[in-house]
Amino acid sequence: DTGVSQDPRHKITKRGQNVTFRCDPISEHNRLYWYRQTLGQGPEFLTYFQNEAQLEKSRLLSDRFSAERPKGSFSTLEIQRTEQGDSAMYLCASSFVQQSPYGYTFGSGTRLTVV
Amino acid sequence: QKEVEQDPGPLSVPEGAIVSLNCTYSNSAFQYFMWYRQYSRKGPELLMYTYSSGNKEDGRFTAQVDKSSKYISLFIRDSQPSDSATYLCAMSQSGTSYGKLTFGQGTILTVHP
Repeated sequence: DTGVSQDPRHKITKRGQNVTFRCDPISEHNRLYWYRQTLGQGPEFLTYFQNEAQLEKSRLLSDRFSAERPKGSFSTLEIQRTEQGDSAMYLCASSFVQQSPYGYTFGSGTRLTVV
Repeated sequence: QKEVEQDPGPLSVPEGAIVSLNCTYSNSAFQYFMWYRQYSRKGPELLMYTYSSGNKEDGRFTAQVDKSSKYISLFIRDSQPSDSATYLCAMSQSGTSYGKLTFGQGTILTVHP
């Protein structure tokens, strides 16, 4: 296991289309986080899971966004009816709950471009 | 007003210089303080972390936290071209929000030979 894996690395989509991103965390990590990073800004928290339970969602996560983590392993983030304002880097991170907040490992992100 | 403010720079220094990076914050509930480094097209990687006020040193890096002033700093001594990256401060509360990070906007650092 070499770290947190995100797929795809880059996604270009037309406005109004749905997109889905996948994150595979470090296998023994029980927490999984999603962040969004726009150009020139730091990452902003979207949501996190402990095992399969989604424990917190940011108000940034509108009704068009949904995240799942079935069986407490990989996670998916879906954006419905994409808008140009959704263009950003979507980062996934994982950790042991006992090591949080220091034990975060981030993936390299999925860069979304909405045209 | 953002909870965490960070001077975005950019900052350009010669090799060997001492670099000072700073963040201020408004939420007094923050207890855990971190610095991340982010290279282009990569995710952030944890560089330093401290709990509450005080100093922590690790090689060429020193992190300082002053909770009374709501101010944190990262010092890089003998800076190297390989230190060129974006540096992000991050903070977290205890309790139910433990683990959720609030980031500054990042400072772009370039160290030229």
